[in-house]
Amino acid sequence: GESVGLHLPTLSVQEGDNSIINCAYSNSASDYFIWYKQESGKGPQFIIDIRSNMDKRQGQRVTVLLNKTVKHLSLQIAATQPGDSAVYFCAESLQGAQKLVFGQGTRLTINP
Amino acid sequence: NAGVTQTPKFRILKIGQSMTLQCTQDMNHNYMYWYRQDPGMGLKLIYYSVGAGITDKGEVPNGYNVSRSTTEDFPLRLELAAPSQTSVYFCASSYPTGGLGYEQYFGPGTRLTVT
Repeated sequence: GESVGLHLPTLSVQEGDNSIINCAYSNSASDYFIWYKQESGKGPQFIIDIRSNMDKRQGQRVTVLLNKTVKHLSLQIAATQPGDSAVYFCAESLQGAQKLVFGQGTRLTINP
Repeated sequence: NAGVTQTPKFRILKIGQSMTLQCTQDMNHNYMYWYRQDPGMGLKLIYYSVGAGITDKGEVPNGYNVSRSTTEDFPLRLELAAPSQTSVYFCASSYPTGGLGYEQYFGPGTRLTVT
């Protein structure tokens, strides 16, 4: 199986509860942020993005919050399901740079 | 569309051997990328390309080479494999959106072990 993520920070939540995954980004000049989900043995999949002129953006069952003052990004997953088990990465970029810098990732595990 | 495809899925190399990791995308994306992902770490950019004939170094380019002769293909070459290159390699592609933000589409990865 996939060996990536053996030493990642881990968040365990009960099925049906809300999950909050946090990320501290490094570059105060970054103005575009993405959350990716990576399931075991697969490549990262896009979840949601946000630009620096926004504080909050909502998708289906997911919300991203951006606090530029403290360079903090969070991903909230409502009513967590077993299929949400994965490693979640935040990534930052400068607009137009077309390059992403990824954070370390957080492993989300769901307790039945 | 198949999206981004990578071959092989797994490979074991001996130290000093060479190999090419293949990456193809059928979405007509201009931008393509190679990342490596080590255990417990996020993805690190090796090389990227903004179009056919144009490539540039990322964060960790040493020990690798790339070429981009077509829009669809972006192979990654390891000339003298070293144990430090044991990793999972991901290829990705994206399209420019006029600086408004973009999404990178990832392939399934190639797991490489160098012994």
